[in-house]
Amino acid sequence: QKEVEQDPGPLSVPEGAIVSLNCTYSNSAFQYFMWYRQYSRKGPELLMYTYSSGNKEDGRFTAQVDKSSKYISLFIRDSQPSDSATYLCAMSEQGGKLIFGQGTELSVKP
Amino acid sequence: DTEVTQTPKHLVMGMTNKKSLKCEQHMGHRAMYWYKQKAKKPPELMFVYSYEKLSINESVPSRFSPECPNSSLLNLHLHALQPEDSALYLCASSQNPHRGTGEQYFGPGTRLTVT
Repeated sequence: QKEVEQDPGPLSVPEGAIVSLNCTYSNSAFQYFMWYRQYSRKGPELLMYTYSSGNKEDGRFTAQVDKSSKYISLFIRDSQPSDSATYLCAMSEQGGKLIFGQGTELSVKP
Repeated sequence: DTEVTQTPKHLVMGMTNKKSLKCEQHMGHRAMYWYKQKAKKPPELMFVYSYEKLSINESVPSRFSPECPNSSLLNLHLHALQPEDSALYLCASSQNPHRGTGEQYFGPGTRLTVT
């Protein structure tokens, strides 16, 4: 079993839809949780960063961490074609290396 | 400014060539990383430099040789690579490696093709 599980998709939604991306993990020592967006042939861009449990909102993006369920989510409201990218979840322990999910490929159709 | 720059953007090299990848950040970060990423896969950690000293080598073959000349620069020297080494090579940095916040900022990558 991988430490971090993420459905690779692809996920296709119409413009304006609410998108939900998720990851599950097995290591209860993870404390830092991130979402990266990666456009084709580009480097990953840090979208959201959360320490421990809770929610964080930034514009159309909301990140949720549920440590009791070992489950993290990224919600995208009013999705746009420019949101089409691969979304990678990543997490780490204190002082540890980043462990990535496989990435979910998202396509938002006009 | 959360910019990490990498040069070159693209590199094609033969198996007998020697080349270098360069990475630079001016955010005052004290940890710098090299990752390798294959198509449709997540980045794989290769090396970590913490306060300009190599702290992690993820059992990377010796044909990859990292170097950290100062706190802003990171190089990856390449020699006698194999076609399977063709990939996107990503540099990243983070503020304080010992606090382990995981907030790593990535550069745009160098797309390497080994012929």
